[in-house]
Amino acid sequence: SQQGEEDPQALSIQEGENATMNCSYKTSINNLQWYRQNSGRGLVHLILIRSNEREKHSGRLRVTLDTSKKSSSLLITASRAADTASYFCATDPFGAGGTSYGKLTFGQGTILTVHP
Amino acid sequence: GAVVSQHPSRVICKSGTSVKIECRSLDFQATTMFWYRQFPKQSLMLMATSNEGSKATYEQGVEKDKFLINHASLTLSTLTVTSAHPEDSSFYICSATGLGYTFGSGTRLTVV
Repeated sequence: SQQGEEDPQALSIQEGENATMNCSYKTSINNLQWYRQNSGRGLVHLILIRSNEREKHSGRLRVTLDTSKKSSSLLITASRAADTASYFCATDPFGAGGTSYGKLTFGQGTILTVHP
Repeated sequence: GAVVSQHPSRVICKSGTSVKIECRSLDFQATTMFWYRQFPKQSLMLMATSNEGSKATYEQGVEKDKFLINHASLTLSTLTVTSAHPEDSSFYICSATGLGYTFGSGTRLTVV
């Protein structure tokens, strides 16, 4: 069952602006990941943050994780038209040490539109 | 890096026919693979866990007789949608864990 909720459901911004998406989940996790999906295509893995981490950066991406609130945020700085896509968070409750390693629960996603 | 190849990328079939989708791990062995389904403008929902050499584990509400999963080798899992109906039209995507979480490129199934 889907446990993740993301907000906003849709976000429309101008090129150069920052985009912030939030994700909440319900159960304990080993890690949380963010993925991008262009319309009708496969998933692109963006970043993974472990439950013992609070913040992680990768290029223009910044992810935070608050396990006490069971929430995460993805910030895309200086957005570009090419960032237009759907963004999903996904949680893995067990990680590599668990028997269900790889079994992910996805959030509902945020549709980001960046206008040139 | 780890690569998962999924075929076909797109398939159109007639109602009542069966369609097989393949998911291959190209440079690593995957004892476990996962199959997800995504309806238009919705999120990915886990359908089943494919286990090499044993029966797949299906999520609640997923008909195992309709969505047949075979994982006969350490590099190949197949999903067969049997007696397909228009409501089975969806985006199906597989994943495996090798050097991390790796997804196939997905299969767009349209049942007419």
